[in-house]
Amino acid sequence: AQRVTQPEKLLSVFKGAPVELKCNYSYSGSPELFWYVQYSRQRLQLLLRHISRESIKGFTADLNKGETSFHLKKPFAQEEDSAMYYCALRMDMGRRALTFGSGTRLQVQP
Amino acid sequence: SAVISQKPSRDICQRGTSLTIQCQVDSQVTMMFWYRQQPGQSLTLIATANQGSEATYESGFVIDKFPISRPNLTFSTLTVSNMSPEDSSIYLCSVTGTEDGYTFGSGTRLTVV
Repeated sequence: AQRVTQPEKLLSVFKGAPVELKCNYSYSGSPELFWYVQYSRQRLQLLLRHISRESIKGFTADLNKGETSFHLKKPFAQEEDSAMYYCALRMDMGRRALTFGSGTRLQVQP
Repeated sequence: SAVISQKPSRDICQRGTSLTIQCQVDSQVTMMFWYRQQPGQSLTLIATANQGSEATYESGFVIDKFPISRPNLTFSTLTVSNMSPEDSSIYLCSVTGTEDGYTFGSGTRLTVV
């Protein structure tokens, strides 16, 4: 079965510091990977997906099939980046729903 | 992307009762999903709501406990039946958008007392 692992429940950094939120997955096929973000009192929203290869709000993520990872990175954290971040996977066939990791809370301190 | 209206946003219910959660989408969507997010946990898929046929439930979730309706391509309901305190969670609906991303409702925070 597919699985998404986010090893850190909480990541606390200072403003201006680099950020890396880790995500590893297990799936035997060719998955599609997503990062979702949930700001305080707001709904889940898409941050980025690996097939688009975009940089959103300064965040990037590269799919590494060899390491089965999709880590989220930002070179300089901002206070407004404080939120809950979820890594999610969609299988290439069969069920079309997303499988979520347990989430990482990012706290950016001033 | 699609816009989802989910209600109620929160409720406090007595054990043994049932609550129906509604999701209305502003456009026709093929697939709708219902998730549960227990306190401090990630999102767990309950079922996929299929228009014109029965919902497809994930392991550990059954129709008698979580009956789902999907009368058309813009609307779905999830009922949490015979509630117990263990059902206290946030329940979310989600749809796939035209660009094949996923949009989420704002969630229903359920507390069972």
